[in-house]
Amino acid sequence: EPEVTQTPSHQVTQMGQEVILRCVPISNHLYFYWYRQILGQKVEFLVSFYNNEISEKSEIFDDQFSVERPDGSNFTLKIRSTKLEDSAMYFCASSEAPGSAGGTDTQYFGPGTRLTVL
Amino acid sequence: AQSVTQPDIHITVSEGASLELRCNYSYGATPYLFWYVQSPGQGLQLLLKYFSGDTLVQGIKGFEAEFKRSQSSFNLRKPSVHWSDAAEYFCAVGRMDSSYKLIFGSGTRLLVRP
Repeated sequence: EPEVTQTPSHQVTQMGQEVILRCVPISNHLYFYWYRQILGQKVEFLVSFYNNEISEKSEIFDDQFSVERPDGSNFTLKIRSTKLEDSAMYFCASSEAPGSAGGTDTQYFGPGTRLTVL
Repeated sequence: AQSVTQPDIHITVSEGASLELRCNYSYGATPYLFWYVQSPGQGLQLLLKYFSGDTLVQGIKGFEAEFKRSQSSFNLRKPSVHWSDAAEYFCAVGRMDSSYKLIFGSGTRLLVRP
């Protein structure tokens, strides 16, 4: 069964450093997302991406964050200068197609990358 | 504002007992509704979803959920819990105001007594 994959599974970085989290969405999916979950808190939406541009972002997704689809398979989240409060589990998700009814809206999640900022 | 509430932070049931996890949402229309499960150290696995039609939906691992429009609820049920069901369960809603993002509840941690 196709699945979303994410690398690395755990990333430790120093405050102020740049990190790139990588995701490989399911191959025929067109809509991509990043969410994060701070320890003990809710899963929160960060950004959605379709047709090579951001379609929606939350207030968390400030200028320190960026997303990119550098090739036909990868989807990345970059944090330019990490802060302590960026420590969280970051989930990538993908879905088949926006704007369609039913199952194509279903978002499938990867296993997550645990980011620890020291 | 749109919100999702899971009123129970923790639930403990005995193996073989029935289970119901509660979920309520606040939104003027009917959103898309999902239940995800997260085992320790794992990602989010989709259990089931509701978009329209029959209000009782079946999912994987023997779970089902019922959408009740009058109560703005989408409670998750299982008739007989197995020890392997111990995990955190998240209710999520989507497709509100033409947005495709999911809004998650705070989760319910299920503990299973042997």
